[in-house]
Amino acid sequence: DVKVTQSSRYLVKRTGEKVFLECVQDMDHENMFWYRQDPGLGLRLIYFSYDVKMKEKGDIPEGYSVSREKKERFSLILESASTNQTSMYLCASSPPPGTGGLIGFGPGTRLTVT
Amino acid sequence: DAKTTQPPSMDCAEGRAANLPCNHSTISGNEYVYWYRQIHSQGPQYIIHGLKNNETNEMASLIITEDRKSSTLILPHATLRDTAVYYCIVTTSGTYKYIFGTGTRLKVLA
Repeated sequence: DVKVTQSSRYLVKRTGEKVFLECVQDMDHENMFWYRQDPGLGLRLIYFSYDVKMKEKGDIPEGYSVSREKKERFSLILESASTNQTSMYLCASSPPPGTGGLIGFGPGTRLTVT
Repeated sequence: DAKTTQPPSMDCAEGRAANLPCNHSTISGNEYVYWYRQIHSQGPQYIIHGLKNNETNEMASLIITEDRKSSTLILPHATLRDTAVYYCIVTTSGTYKYIFGTGTRLKVLA
């Protein structure tokens, strides 16, 4: 089974704070992803990484940055948290598309920005 | 970009088969279709995936049309614990991005 862990299940931060969400996978997957999930909007891709130090913007990258210094770890950074970033954040990892390997998801981090 | 379209909600009587459709008309030739479900805002849970042929495992069956533009997830005997949001996932052509639709909220009724 793919195991993906996220550093926190629940997080409360103040507006303007710098926030780090950490994700670790144990399957030696090349690809890692950060999604946010909001009611009625489904899962939306923020950023993804297909290799160490490589990253690409997803559909909603504004207000976020990412870091991938090691293959197993992918961090999402909110440079200056805002209330509209209150959401559920999901991390995922996968082997390359077209290989039939499974996508693994973390349990999610529910972030509240006050 | 590849896109999936799913009905927003469905009801199913307990013990009956639940058939959840997904349209993925822009899927590329070598990309798999994955089905996951999410219960109570936990992380999505794997159900089944396939490329061209129909697939079956202990949880579900996956029927993929011959042109691969759509698929159907079948839960053969739905239980109350199958109440969840079901996502059909594909990658965009030539990229690493896995694209979710908004999912189908399945409610299994006693």
